[in-house]
Amino acid sequence: GNSVTQMEGPVTLSEEAFLTINCTYTATGYPSLFWYVQYPGEGLQLLLKATKADDKGSNKGFEATYRKETTSFHLEKGSVQVSDSAVYFCALSSPTSGTYKYIFGTGTRLKVLA
Amino acid sequence: GAGVSQTPSNKVTEKGKYVELRCDPISGHTALYWYRQSLGQGPEFLIYFQGTGAADDSGLPNDRFFAVRPEGSVSTLKIQRTERGDSAVYLCASSSDAGDYGYTFGSGTRLTVV
Repeated sequence: GNSVTQMEGPVTLSEEAFLTINCTYTATGYPSLFWYVQYPGEGLQLLLKATKADDKGSNKGFEATYRKETTSFHLEKGSVQVSDSAVYFCALSSPTSGTYKYIFGTGTRLKVLA
Repeated sequence: GAGVSQTPSNKVTEKGKYVELRCDPISGHTALYWYRQSLGQGPEFLIYFQGTGAADDSGLPNDRFFAVRPEGSVSTLKIQRTERGDSAVYLCASSSDAGDYGYTFGSGTRLTVV
């Protein structure tokens, strides 16, 4: 079945450090891929998405590229800020199981220290 | 409304009791989703509504769980004979269409069964 695997956290970085959060997936067909972010006390928010191979999603300085050959969608940011501290979830939707149904990873907590 | 609203934000109930969780989606959003997020896990799909009908309820864990959306707007998730294993954060999301566009999530209802 379809699944998403994320690197375990917490990830602790100093402000202005480079961030990578790894995400790999298993899916039949051609899934769409997403990163969601959950700030403390708030709901999940869509951060970025990519709907086909080699697409790059970007938002708020974060980027992720849909790599079909490695079945990956790693999240990157060149210079993190304290305000980026949150839990990040990688997710997919697949036409074979319904594009409305998202499969989420377990989440990666990011802590950025001033 | 401006966002997806869920009430109550917290609910503590005794084992065996009945609970109702409410979701008020973004105005005009035809698609509505319920997910369940257990501690340390990513959200798991429960049910999807398109308009008033449940288009996919394959994620409901058993017949103690039921959800309705009688007028195609507000939805209620109902849990009968609650068990301690039902303790989780219940998330609601809505979207303007069921597709690859991403959802808007509410902040969730934290259900604790004691």
